[in-house]
Amino acid sequence: GAVVSQHPSRVICKSGTSVKIECRSLDFQATTMFWYRQFPKQSLMLMATSNEGSKATYEQGVEKDKFLINHASLTLSTLTVTSAHPEDSSFYICSARDHTRTGNEQFFGPGTRLTVL
Amino acid sequence: GENVEQHPSTLSVQEGDSAVIKCTYSDSASNYFPWYKQELGKRPQLIIDIRSNVGEKKDQRIAVTLNKTAKHFSLHITETQPEDSAVYFCAASKGSYIPTFGRGTSLIVHP
Repeated sequence: GAVVSQHPSRVICKSGTSVKIECRSLDFQATTMFWYRQFPKQSLMLMATSNEGSKATYEQGVEKDKFLINHASLTLSTLTVTSAHPEDSSFYICSARDHTRTGNEQFFGPGTRLTVL
Repeated sequence: GENVEQHPSTLSVQEGDSAVIKCTYSDSASNYFPWYKQELGKRPQLIIDIRSNVGEKKDQRIAVTLNKTAKHFSLHITETQPEDSAVYFCAASKGSYIPTFGRGTSLIVHP
């Protein structure tokens, strides 16, 4: 149980286009999901907390108009990178908590490799 | 907020040796300490975790120790195998707060 999927796994786009990444909890409901960004050989950098039915909470330094987050249902959160530029190229990972379980364990999606040309 | 320091950044061992990764945290109220293993290009996977009411936890070749007084916790891997090669992240959190991750340790196990 507690499986999180992400789609797409890999995307290559031209500079200036927008890219949408989906994060789904497959066998549990997640009122809260998290979006991370990871550069090569670096740690996970929390970008924002996605709350079902309300606005996302962004970490300091993360542009909310650049990285649009929508959490429309208890099993789906989307991250849209708007007007992508080469510096947005990175590995984006989502995670979710299963609140029916005790503890704070997070379940991660497989990640999306974004390359902006 | 919480600050998690992780050392070393890189650890190279021979197959069969033990590996130890150490983390310190700053917030004495933190009570949950997970360890994740991330293989190249893949998702972080929880390998073991410990809560503040326990000093040590073991699962086969992996163990985690926690010293609340000193605010540090460590991951111990015994009889390392090449498939243990990966990046390991520690994290600390309190209550329902989002975990703060360490910078990661790249473990290389040479056959």
